Amino acid sequence: GQSLEQPSEVTAVEGAIVQINCTYQTSGFYGLSWYQQHDGGAPTFLSYNALDGLEETGRFSSFLSRSDSYGYLLLQELQMKDSASYFCAVRDPQLSGGYNKLIFGAGTRLAVHP
Amino acid sequence: DTAVSQTPKYLVTQMGNDKSIKCEQNLGHDTMYWYKQDSKKFLKIMFSYNNKELIINETVPNRFSPKSPDKAHLNLHINSLELGDSAVYFCASSQEPRSGELFFGEGSRLTVL
Repeated sequence: GQSLEQPSEVTAVEGAIVQINCTYQTSGFYGLSWYQQHDGGAPTFLSYNALDGLEETGRFSSFLSRSDSYGYLLLQELQMKDSASYFCAVRDPQLSGGYNKLIFGAGTRLAVHP
Repeated sequence: DTAVSQTPKYLVTQMGNDKSIKCEQNLGHDTMYWYKQDSKKFLKIMFSYNNKELIINETVPNRFSPKSPDKAHLNLHINSLELGDSAVYFCASSQEPRSGELFFGEGSRLTVL
């Protein structure tokens, strides 16, 4: 079956750097995505890695190692507004629905304190 | 202009009732989805349509019936509601599924009493 594992909670202070890890087990693999969701809000897309390496978008970066079935989201210069849940998600083209099926991890709740 | 809009935002209803949630996207995307988010925030795919054709139908009770009248609209009808159906239902769309990017609506919070 497919599984994604990420920490349930992470706590950090404003201005710090935090890394949220995600390990996955899938039959096939077609990219790792990251989403942010504030309480009461909708998930919003942050980043996507199809190839190994680091992708940087402003204060957020995402990393993928396909050989290790591992990725992480790095948040720098943390701000209070970064307090939210962060989800990793994968596509497994070997599943029915293939590329269209985005499977989410259980989410990591990030609390940023002053 | 809202990209993916769902109505209603909140539903409170009794067990055994039937309810519908509507979704519309103005992004011109070909693929639309329904996801269910439970109280533990776990997001699970339910259905997906590509250009009005059902392409994903997860293990969902047949009390749940999606309908896509055109590629911009995807509705969800739920019959004989049960307590366990209480959740937030998110509609989403994507143009290129391989990009890993979905655009979500604001969600419809369903509470079954």
